[in-house]
Amino acid sequence: RKEVEQDPGPFNVPEGATVAFNCTYSNSASQSFFWYRQDCRKEPKLLMSVYSSGNEDGRFTAQLNRASQYISLLIRDSKLSDSATYLCVVRGSGYSTLTFGKGTMLLVSP
Amino acid sequence: DGGITQSPKYLFRKEGQNVTLSCEQNLNHDAMYWYRQDPGQGLRLIYYSQIVNDFQKGDIAEGYSVSREKKESFPLTVTSAQKNPTAFYLCASSMVRASGRLPSYEQYFGPGTRLTVT
Repeated sequence: RKEVEQDPGPFNVPEGATVAFNCTYSNSASQSFFWYRQDCRKEPKLLMSVYSSGNEDGRFTAQLNRASQYISLLIRDSKLSDSATYLCVVRGSGYSTLTFGKGTMLLVSP
Repeated sequence: DGGITQSPKYLFRKEGQNVTLSCEQNLNHDAMYWYRQDPGQGLRLIYYSQIVNDFQKGDIAEGYSVSREKKESFPLTVTSAQKNPTAFYLCASSMVRASGRLPSYEQYFGPGTRLTVT
């Protein structure tokens, strides 16, 4: 099983739609979880951390399910500018490095 | 403005030449990292350093070398031993210790260097 697995997409949605991505991770001892956004040929940028209780930042909601070892990202009222690749990122226990998924591509059309 | 800078943005080299990629940060972060990204692939860790004068190999360290003589700087050398050096190279940094609160381990990236070796 891959350490961090994501559906590569692309997810094609119209403006205003709600879209959700899931990501599964294999290490049950993982401690920290993040979503990053990466635009074409650019560096990844932190979108949000994912907390056990779930968290929301404007149109973006992240959830963590430790029992099933997956995290999710929900984007409401999609904008054209949301078109990007969304990377699921997981950190193991103690001080450990981050493991990046390959990303899910989102394309929002007018 | 605080941030991470990488130079140059694009780099072209002939096969058999060593090349050094620059990474500088003024975020006062303890840890720095080097990743490579290939088309359709996730980020893969090459080397990382949690403190000055110390660094550890990541998942794909063969053919690369690093140094960490200053907190702000973490240059990466791509040697002629690296079999497939053409890639997008990303440098990142993070805080390891945060007094009074738990570290978050979030990493912040520089703009990257696209290396092409022919």
